[in-house]
Amino acid sequence: GENVEQHPSTLSVQEGDSAVIKCTYSDSASNYFPWYKQELGKGPQLIIDIRSNVGEKKDQRIAVTLNKTAKHFSLHITETQPEDSAVYFCAASKNKAAGNKLTFGGGTRVLVKP
Amino acid sequence: DAGVIQSPRHEVTEMGQEVTLRCKPISGHDYLFWYRQTMMRGLELLIYFNNNVPIDDSGMPEDRFSAKMPNASFSTLKIQPSEPRDSAVYFCASSSRQGRSEAFFGQGTRLTVV
Repeated sequence: GENVEQHPSTLSVQEGDSAVIKCTYSDSASNYFPWYKQELGKGPQLIIDIRSNVGEKKDQRIAVTLNKTAKHFSLHITETQPEDSAVYFCAASKNKAAGNKLTFGGGTRVLVKP
Repeated sequence: DAGVIQSPRHEVTEMGQEVTLRCKPISGHDYLFWYRQTMMRGLELLIYFNNNVPIDDSGMPEDRFSAKMPNASFSTLKIQPSEPRDSAVYFCASSSRQGRSEAFFGQGTRLTVV
């Protein structure tokens, strides 16, 4: 089955700096790659996603890049703010027909220091 | 819509007791997922349903775990008998085949088995 590795497990950045989280996946059939943000005591919430037919997607301060050949994808957060502090998960899925059955990475705890 | 609703939010039970977790998916969604989150294993998919039918239960750890979806607006995850190693946060998520196929997560149920 699919295996998703995520690094780093923790990340501390100064407010205003950028944060980068990297993930690799094992199944070349995966074609949907969402990123979730989980705040304390809450469920994961989708912040951005990318499909295999594009290499990059941006939404305000967050962007995701995908390298299908190397089977890795990354999340970039620019101009970090204290409210960006949370646990971030990458995930991979094979096809829409399975209702986006997701395999998650291990998570990255991001701390933005004011 | 109020989103995915899970109950209870917290559950403390004694080893050997039966535990039932409940989930109400977003109206109109045809996929429902049960995930378990622990520090050691991260977010794991336990089982998912499509149109109330279980499709993949390969993530269910043992026969002590069972899940049902009697109708489109309700699902249960039951553990009988419960063990201390079942302590975790259990999330329910739902998604739709239509549109973006984003998975929406509930707030989770924190289960503690003592």
